[in-house]
Amino acid sequence: KQEVTQIPAALSVPEGENLVLNCSFTDSAIYNLQWFRQDPGKGLTSLLLIQSSQREQTSGRLNASLDKSSGRSTLYIAASQPGDSATYLCAVKGLDYKLSFGAGTTVTVRA
Amino acid sequence: EAQVTQNPRYLITVTGKKLTVTCSQNMNHEYMSWYRQDPGLGLRQIYYSMNVEVTDKGDVPEGYKVSRKEKRNFPLILESPSPNQTSLYFCASSFDPGSYEQYFGPGTRLTVT
Repeated sequence: KQEVTQIPAALSVPEGENLVLNCSFTDSAIYNLQWFRQDPGKGLTSLLLIQSSQREQTSGRLNASLDKSSGRSTLYIAASQPGDSATYLCAVKGLDYKLSFGAGTTVTVRA
Repeated sequence: EAQVTQNPRYLITVTGKKLTVTCSQNMNHEYMSWYRQDPGLGLRQIYYSMNVEVTDKGDVPEGYKVSRKEKRNFPLILESPSPNQTSLYFCASSFDPGSYEQYFGPGTRLTVT
């Protein structure tokens, strides 16, 4: 069974600092890995999707890397802003098509 | 606008009163699924559907039913809700179950008293 772990569980940084969010998974046989953002009580917004054959994806200030062999992904958010405050979820799609989620990292960016 | 919609967004009901949460997508996606999100337990899959008339159980299917009579709709049915089904529910869809990203609906907050 795929286990997805996100460290740290919570993170507080001053505005302008770069954010580094980590995700690890136990089974490297995956289709892809997807990073989501969730605001309190709201739905999930897809940020980046990395296919198993890719090493990284970028969108604006966001960059996500994938090291399938070691079972790790990292989401980098450059020059953080208060609007980046949210919970970030990592989800791994297994070859059985099942999406396994981590518990999330709650980010607070202080103005 | 491409989106997944859910209704209702909020629902308070009593134990045993049948309810349906609707889910609809306008992206012609084949794959649809339902999740519930609970504090400390994260997101868990309830049911999924590979295509019309094809559904299967996820990790926590007990107490739920689904149907997929049309490609765009995937309702979640609670025949006899119980308080342990109080949760935040999400519907999701994607072009196929494998390589495409999943799009999530806005969520339905259900309280069963």
